[in-house]
Amino acid sequence: GDSVTQMEGPVTLSEEAFLTINCTYTATGYPSLFWYVQYPGEGLQLLLKATKADDKGSNKGFEATYRKETTSFHLEKGSVQVSDSAVYFCALSVTGTASKLTFGTGTRLQVTL
Amino acid sequence: KAGVTQTPRYLIKTRGQQVTLSCSPISGHRSVSWYQQTPGQGLQFLFEYFSETQRNKGNFPGRFSGRQFSNSRSEMNVSTLELGDSALYLCASSLGEAVNGYTFGSGTRLTVV
Repeated sequence: GDSVTQMEGPVTLSEEAFLTINCTYTATGYPSLFWYVQYPGEGLQLLLKATKADDKGSNKGFEATYRKETTSFHLEKGSVQVSDSAVYFCALSVTGTASKLTFGTGTRLQVTL
Repeated sequence: KAGVTQTPRYLIKTRGQQVTLSCSPISGHRSVSWYQQTPGQGLQFLFEYFSETQRNKGNFPGRFSGRQFSNSRSEMNVSTLELGDSALYLCASSLGEAVNGYTFGSGTRLTVV
């Protein structure tokens, strides 16, 4: 079946540090890949997406590149802020089950001053 | 434009009771999905409705059911509540396919005692 594996958290960084959150996937078909973010007490917000190999999704300084050869979609940001503290979820959807998102377990990011 | 609205925000129910959760999608969105979020299992897909038809279903027991109305509003029902049903239930709406990105509501926090 389809699955997403994320690095275990929490990840604690100082403000302005570089962020990488690893995400790898297994899919029965050709997936679209997503990063969602969840702030405390809120639902999930779509952060960025990529729908085919070598696509780069980007938003709010975050970016991730769809790597088919390594089945990965790692999230990066060059300089994190305290306001980036949240839980980040990698997810996929596969054509044919395209209405369903399969999520990773989430990675909590804590940014300190 | 208004986001996805879930009501109520919080619920406390007794084991054995039943509960109904409501979700109003973004205007124009015809797809509504439901997810269960727990610390142990993470985000798990319950089901998805599109134009009043259940289009996709996750691996949950028959106690979990849903429906969608002609105005795209959706309800989710859980009968014979168990302690393990305590979770954050998230509703998400979309134009039709996950690749377009789902917009999530803030969720309903259900506690079963």
